[in-house]
Amino acid sequence: DGGITQSPKYLFRKEGQNVTLSCEQNLNHDAMYWYRQDPGQGLRLIYYSQIVNDFQKGDIAEGYSVSREKKESFPLTVTSAQKNPTAFYLCASRGDTEKLFFGSGTQLSVL
Amino acid sequence: AQSVTQPDIHITVSEGASLELRCNYSYGATPYLFWYVQSPGQGLQLLLKYFSGDTLVQGIKGFEAEFKRSQSSFNLRKPSVHWSDAAEYFCAGYSGSARQLTFGSGTQLTVLP
Repeated sequence: DGGITQSPKYLFRKEGQNVTLSCEQNLNHDAMYWYRQDPGQGLRLIYYSQIVNDFQKGDIAEGYSVSREKKESFPLTVTSAQKNPTAFYLCASRGDTEKLFFGSGTQLSVL
Repeated sequence: AQSVTQPDIHITVSEGASLELRCNYSYGATPYLFWYVQSPGQGLQLLLKYFSGDTLVQGIKGFEAEFKRSQSSFNLRKPSVHWSDAAEYFCAGYSGSARQLTFGSGTQLTVLP
């Protein structure tokens, strides 16, 4: 089945540690997105990529980094510079239509 | 700034009652507007979308939404709510070439038996 997969479902980060969230899609979509969700604040865009080897900062990119070496993959690294990383992270992809397909999310917490 | 606003943080309705969730937008040009639903700990599922044309759009699960330019609104409606509709609902939109969706802060729907 085609879809978008995020892993792990739950992730814990220690102080000063970088962690990487995985996002893989087999929908052959060019565009991929990372959103951060905090209670009562909706979704905020962290980074997006319209094509392989290219990505752009969203509204809250500080403390995060991404790569897009393959069409199928768009991993997000939460660096130690992100002082408040606890949140629910959602990855999405988009093909030729305007519909976003979302993964099931990763809950990141700080130990 | 272009944005989408959901004025209701939490709404409670009884099962079988009608539902209306509010969404207001502020875009200069005609926006593309969406409603998504999210169950706890899950990703978002698209309910419906509006791009142009007929201002009343039908979606999945019996939902519909009406685009009203005069009121800058895109409210989501359902004539009879089911217990399984309890979830968080997000309005989202973008305009023109900026193909980045802006999401509202969400409305949590509780359905009473």
